Amino acid sequence: GEDVEQSLFLSVREGDSSVINCTYTDSSSTYLYWYKQEPGAGLQLLTYIFSNMDMKQDQRLTVLLNKKDKHLSLRIADTQTGDSAIYFCADSSGGSYIPTFGRGTSLIVHP
Amino acid sequence: EAEVAQSPRYKITEKSQAVAFWCDPISGHATLYWYRQILGQGPELLVQFQDESVVDDSQLPKDRFSAERLKGVDSTLKIQPAELGDSAMYLCASRLGGHLDTEAFFGQGTRLTVV
Repeated sequence: GEDVEQSLFLSVREGDSSVINCTYTDSSSTYLYWYKQEPGAGLQLLTYIFSNMDMKQDQRLTVLLNKKDKHLSLRIADTQTGDSAIYFCADSSGGSYIPTFGRGTSLIVHP
Repeated sequence: EAEVAQSPRYKITEKSQAVAFWCDPISGHATLYWYRQILGQGPELLVQFQDESVVDDSQLPKDRFSAERLKGVDSTLKIQPAELGDSAMYLCASRLGGHLDTEAFFGQGTRLTVV
């Protein structure tokens, strides 16, 4: 099975909060990442969290980590149409800094 | 603003032909990665360099793929011969390196179509 799993699609209304969920299997992951990919573009690091933290907030973004359940979530407050993109969860494979990616969640924001 | 440069942005090639992609990492970044992203999937690591040395190429299909970073700066990924299943986005990323450095910066990618 896949090391990092995410749901494939999420649709939200503009102004609402979006929550993208992810589960991972590698318990030795030191860092967990959220990347954003807009159509035809490379990956942009949005935020990351150390494995010894359970929450990190950065402006409209909130990352929650449940290390016991190996569950990571990204909450985007006041979602805007410009937030429409694919969001990738990644763990750091084998305790290294090498991101190992999930399949991505396509976030669609509609008016 | 410093960025990872990749070329070409798009490449169409016939199967059985050779194709090469180029990556210029951010200046001073010791670690360089090549990823392959098949449509609808997440990126998968192909090879990692630390300076000019290959650190991990366990996922690189070595019968047809090769990668080099001769002077520890820019890097080339080659496919020979290309197959239809190689159609994908090829992403290069670089990292400063070191224990406290966590962020890998990605280039725009090269989209390869094999016909």
